[in-house]
Amino acid sequence: EAGVTQFPSHSVIEKGQTVTLRCDPISGHDNLYWYRRVMGKEIKFLLHFVKESKQDESGMPNNRFLAERTGGTYSTLKVQPAELEDSGVYFCASSRETGDEQFFGPGTRLTVL
Amino acid sequence: DQQVKQNSPSLSVQEGRISILNCDYTNSMFDYFLWYKKYPAEGPTFLISISSIKDKNEDGRFTVFLNKSAKHLSLHIVPSQPGDSAVYFCAASDVSGGSNYKLTFGKGTLLTVNP
Repeated sequence: EAGVTQFPSHSVIEKGQTVTLRCDPISGHDNLYWYRRVMGKEIKFLLHFVKESKQDESGMPNNRFLAERTGGTYSTLKVQPAELEDSGVYFCASSRETGDEQFFGPGTRLTVL
Repeated sequence: DQQVKQNSPSLSVQEGRISILNCDYTNSMFDYFLWYKKYPAEGPTFLISISSIKDKNEDGRFTVFLNKSAKHLSLHIVPSQPGDSAVYFCAASDVSGGSNYKLTFGKGTLLTVNP
């Protein structure tokens, strides 16, 4: 069974540009989560999807961040426009049921210059 | 405001000895605790968990202890092996409050096991 995959693995952009991160969950996992780890800090919850519906987006930093999961399969996280403080590693995780073990992807390292 | 704290950024132990990683939490609503292990360039991998109704959970070389009154948990690895070298994250969630999906993590502790 393939694990959670994320693309790209690294992204370097300039302040003010737009970046879109993609996450493909494990097949059959209805629940998808986004987390972020800023350098030297803890991994923080951003939001939770069940299928295509956002269940909790309380962790999204501001309205420059937009997450979508059209069709309930893969998800994208768009940052527009990117700021320096958005740099960090963005993790995606998935689980079959809400509350089940979350399987994490390898993360996308975003650097905003 | 950090709700889950791992005060030791790093820990170094000899192969075969015990590794003890500590974690404190401040949110009394947390009732489920997890440890994740992370290798470089990989995502965190679930290791072991404990519910607040227990004070100990064991899985092979890994044991997690929970002291609710002190809001403290620890992960014991015995015996430690070089392959255990990784960053260990403590995480917590509020299951009875309906937020069982929302993990709150600590900053992690880098464990190095020396051969």
